[in-house]
Amino acid sequence: NAGVTQTPKFQVLKTGQSMTLQCAQDMNHNSMYWYRQDPGMGLRLIYYSASEGTTDKGEVPNGYNVSRLNKREFSLRLESAAPSQTSVYFCASSETAGTQYFGPGTRLTVL
Amino acid sequence: QKEVEQDPGPLSVPEGAIVSLNCTYSNSAFQYFMWYRQYSRKGPELLMYTYSSGNKEDGRFTAQVDKSSKYISLFIRDSQPSDSATYLCAMSAVGNQGGKLIFGQGTELSVKP
Repeated sequence: NAGVTQTPKFQVLKTGQSMTLQCAQDMNHNSMYWYRQDPGMGLRLIYYSASEGTTDKGEVPNGYNVSRLNKREFSLRLESAAPSQTSVYFCASSETAGTQYFGPGTRLTVL
Repeated sequence: QKEVEQDPGPLSVPEGAIVSLNCTYSNSAFQYFMWYRQYSRKGPELLMYTYSSGNKEDGRFTAQVDKSSKYISLFIRDSQPSDSATYLCAMSAVGNQGGKLIFGQGTELSVKP
């Protein structure tokens, strides 16, 4: 039982490049989330998916798109990366209110 | 004003000390209260979960919720160096679509041997 997995672990991009962060969970959870974590800012919600087939914006959605591919997988795409998107990205999943389970994170640097 | 406020620290204590971590919030609709622990360069892990008011104890950890004051606390007894981590409070309202959480900034705790 791997829980929540994320790929890649590290990534360096140049400004304007695109990339997709992958997330998968094996706990059969309905809801999945993407957060970014920056020093002094805590965890901020980018997008979430309450159930398969639905996605909604969180607190900081600009510059990102998401796809809920199936119940297990939820990807985050940066179409044109900017230095302001340098951050640590976490994916999470949950079944009941509050109990979110997090992946190990992706450290992204945009030059 | 942020919905959830948490002192970022850092907080440094000697081994064996009692640690008190706190968050205040402004949204009276919050009913679910969580504490997450995050070790350096790792993802957050759920530590304590409380619904509505009251206390919950799990080993050396006690979570308290005072809804009248909009204040939650996490107490760590007999703190150990392995407790050194960032502690994040998180909250959610009943009926909140998708179970979204609002997180505090996190408090960095260091327990010195």
